[in-house]
Amino acid sequence: QQQVKQSPQSLIVQKGGISIINCAYENTAFDYFPWYQQFPGKGPALLIAIRPDVSEKKEGRFTISFNKSAKQFSLHIMDSQPGDSATYFCAALPSGGGNKLTFGTGTQLKVEL
Amino acid sequence: EAGVAQSPRYKIIEKRQSVAFWCNPISGHATLYWYQQILGQGPKLLIQFQNNGVVDDSQLPKDRFSAERLKGVDSTLKIQPAKLEDSAVYLCASSLVTDEQYFGPGTRLTVT
Repeated sequence: QQQVKQSPQSLIVQKGGISIINCAYENTAFDYFPWYQQFPGKGPALLIAIRPDVSEKKEGRFTISFNKSAKQFSLHIMDSQPGDSATYFCAALPSGGGNKLTFGTGTQLKVEL
Repeated sequence: EAGVAQSPRYKIIEKRQSVAFWCNPISGHATLYWYQQILGQGPKLLIQFQNNGVVDDSQLPKDRFSAERLKGVDSTLKIQPAKLEDSAVYLCASSLVTDEQYFGPGTRLTVT
């Protein structure tokens, strides 16, 4: 059972544009939602994360929007750059102890000049 | 601060052979994780250690996979015997008691 659904599978954006990646979850016990960035040959790196008590979190060019009632969250990359070209994974972690992250299927982002 | 170290980075074996991967977590991180990442998919947790003890191994194929964490620091993951479907990247991650997990570069396993 896939608990975190991610879309789109791939995305091409022009330099300077906005990249938007969406995720939806089913388990209402999730209370921590990180986004990871992965370059080829590297492990995932934590990019930004949010908890359900806020609807938006911004760090530099990266923003997470969170809709608790719809059980959806999204990553926005403003002023996208070629160096942002990577695979992005959303993930979710339940409350109540343990650190069992459930990952989405990933989005391959390519930022073109 | 040094990151999570893994070795080897690449391994090619034939099916039915055995293989072992090594992980050294970030110093002081009590929690260590092994993930399997199949091409085109997100990482899937195989096993989680808290110090020396296993917290979650519900998705570990125990008939062929085993893992240990000696003295609460380094860890090894073993596959014996390997199957074609085990071809994947094996990621090690570590964390303090917080939610932030830090990943190593992974070991790319190809089973032929």
